[in-house]
Amino acid sequence: AQSVTQLDSQVPVFEEAPVELRCNYSSSVSVYLFWYVQYPNQGLQLLLKYLSGSTLVKGINGFEAEFNKSQTSFHLRKPSVHISDTAEYFCAVSGRDTGNQFYFGTGTSLTVIP
Amino acid sequence: GAGVSQSPRYKVAKRGQDVALRCDPISGHVSLFWYQQALGQGPEFLTYFQNEAQLDKSGLPSDRFFAERPEGSVSTLKIQRTQQEDSAVYLCASSPRTGGLGYTFGSGTRLTVV
Repeated sequence: AQSVTQLDSQVPVFEEAPVELRCNYSSSVSVYLFWYVQYPNQGLQLLLKYLSGSTLVKGINGFEAEFNKSQTSFHLRKPSVHISDTAEYFCAVSGRDTGNQFYFGTGTSLTVIP
Repeated sequence: GAGVSQSPRYKVAKRGQDVALRCDPISGHVSLFWYQQALGQGPEFLTYFQNEAQLDKSGLPSDRFFAERPEGSVSTLKIQRTQQEDSAVYLCASSPRTGGLGYTFGSGTRLTVV
């Protein structure tokens, strides 16, 4: 089975500052990795995913993440945040050969301060 | 439809009542998933359908939980004799392929058991 740890439950950051949301995973098999964003009272929206190839993945809304196999990490970054980025962010992992089930972290609440 | 539709958006049930939550996936999507998201937590897998076949129900927390997708499109998650610990947001997701790489999530049903 796989598991995900999001080390920071809450991250406050000033508008236009950079941000990094941390995600570490554990798995005995090769994985796919994902970041989702959840706005209040809404479902999950895919930000980006790593399936294979380049370890630097670019997603929507200016976000990017880097897959680091040796550190089993998949941290999410944005060089300059906006007020509209305030939301809950979830990292998720899926086994390559058992890709039906996603394992989500507990989420990081990003608050952008004007 | 354009997205995954879930109904009702909100449901309040008295302890011991039975509830039924509906998911209308994107037309033609083969795979359908149910997740449970408790307050302050990430979504947790409940069950997975490929067309009408329920291929994985390992995440259902008890035999009070039952899901079906009889015609391979609409799915219903039924909870019998609801308990307070069932209070959560129930998320449905669908994917055009087998497995979950192309998930689209619905907005969820928030169940409150009083």
